[in-house]
Amino acid sequence: GAGVSQSPSNKVTEKGKDVELRCDPISGHTALYWYRQRLGQGLEFLIYFQGNSAPDKSGLPSDRFSAERTGESVSTLTIQRTQQEDSAVYLCASSPTGTASVDQPQHFGDGTRLSIL
Amino acid sequence: AQTVTQSQPEMSVQEAETVTLSCTYDTSESDYYLFWYKQPPSRQMILVIRQEAYKQQNATENRFSVNFQKAAKSFSLKISDSQLGDAAMYFCAYRMNYGQNFVFGPGTRLSVLP
Repeated sequence: GAGVSQSPSNKVTEKGKDVELRCDPISGHTALYWYRQRLGQGLEFLIYFQGNSAPDKSGLPSDRFSAERTGESVSTLTIQRTQQEDSAVYLCASSPTGTASVDQPQHFGDGTRLSIL
Repeated sequence: AQTVTQSQPEMSVQEAETVTLSCTYDTSESDYYLFWYKQPPSRQMILVIRQEAYKQQNATENRFSVNFQKAAKSFSLKISDSQLGDAAMYFCAYRMNYGQNFVFGPGTRLSVLP
């Protein structure tokens, strides 16, 4: 069984450009999370999807950030008009369910390293 | 709001020795879950161990064990017989029983010396 897959693994772009990051969760996992990890720091929660419920967007740092998920499959995180402060590793994680088994851990992808020039 | 604190930015241990990584958290909830994750240079986050707050018995997974002190809101990780492959960033994480968010601490970088 494949794990959580993220693409691209690395992305370098110029300030002001838009970027789109992709996450393929583990099949059957209903919950999907996006995190940002700046160099040498911990994980910063961005957004959470659970099935067809409205996503929890409370962690998105600005309106330049948005994310979508189609059903219980692929998710994309979009950053518009990128800034140098957006440089970080963006990690995606999925888990079997959001509430029925709250002790279920998250399974993480390898992340996308985003560098804004 | 829940917070997770790891007061040791860096730790080192001699191979085959034992090391303890500290984690404290702040919450007003009584039901929650605690996790330790390991992040090697590959960036992959790997679950090391988990603890249910309603369980008094400390969780153990082979060489990894926790000291869970609910009243003190402390959740330390003990690594016994340290191996070179244990070198990584270690993150303590908290999750409410009914919530979705995982709250992560800032991490502790562990070095294992041969």
